[in-house]
Amino acid sequence: SQQGEEDPQALSIQEGENATMNCSYKTSINNLQWYRQNSGRGLVHLILIRSNEREKHSGRLRVTLDTSKKSSSLLITASRAADTASYFCATSWMDSSYKLIFGSGTRLLVRP
Amino acid sequence: DAGITQSPRHKVTETGTPVTLRCHQTENHRYMYWYRQDPGHGLRLIHYSYGVKDTDKGEVSDGYSVSRSKTEDFLLTLESATSSQTSVYFCAISEEAGRTQPQHFGDGTRLSIL
Repeated sequence: SQQGEEDPQALSIQEGENATMNCSYKTSINNLQWYRQNSGRGLVHLILIRSNEREKHSGRLRVTLDTSKKSSSLLITASRAADTASYFCATSWMDSSYKLIFGSGTRLLVRP
Repeated sequence: DAGITQSPRHKVTETGTPVTLRCHQTENHRYMYWYRQDPGHGLRLIHYSYGVKDTDKGEVSDGYSVSRSKTEDFLLTLESATSSQTSVYFCAISEEAGRTQPQHFGDGTRLSIL
């Protein structure tokens, strides 16, 4: 079963607006990662947030993590048409596993 | 972009035939992974490798085998392909265990089994 579940499944916004995507998970995690996937391409790593961190920034990206609610959010500010892609969260569990568990993703469309 | 090459990029084959997908990296990373991506399922781990000749199963390993005889190459084999294995397959690499480090992905192999 999947560990991370993104919400919403699809999001359509106007260029310049902010986009917020959410990820919920079920068990305790070591860290949570966000990835972007453009159509027909592989995933690209965006940001990693550790379980003892609450917020992290990278350029126009802001990620928050609430371990008490087992949820994370990805905020893209001042969106651009080039941000159109699918976004996935991935979690690693608090065991010795090497594995990441990916959610099913949010499809973001940024209209020019 | 990380130096990851997947081959072939597209393949159509028939049920019951063997299929081998190749992942080649030029980054000298220790860890390599094979995922499949299907609509509504995100990415699911098939097998991974933590060194030459060291491999382990992921969550959807049935019907798949892997081999890693060199650091740079990780092969995924479908011994007898079935229609349920029609999917897009991604290879990924990471310097350390993917749970603590980012993974870098190839551009995928689209496999259709008729």
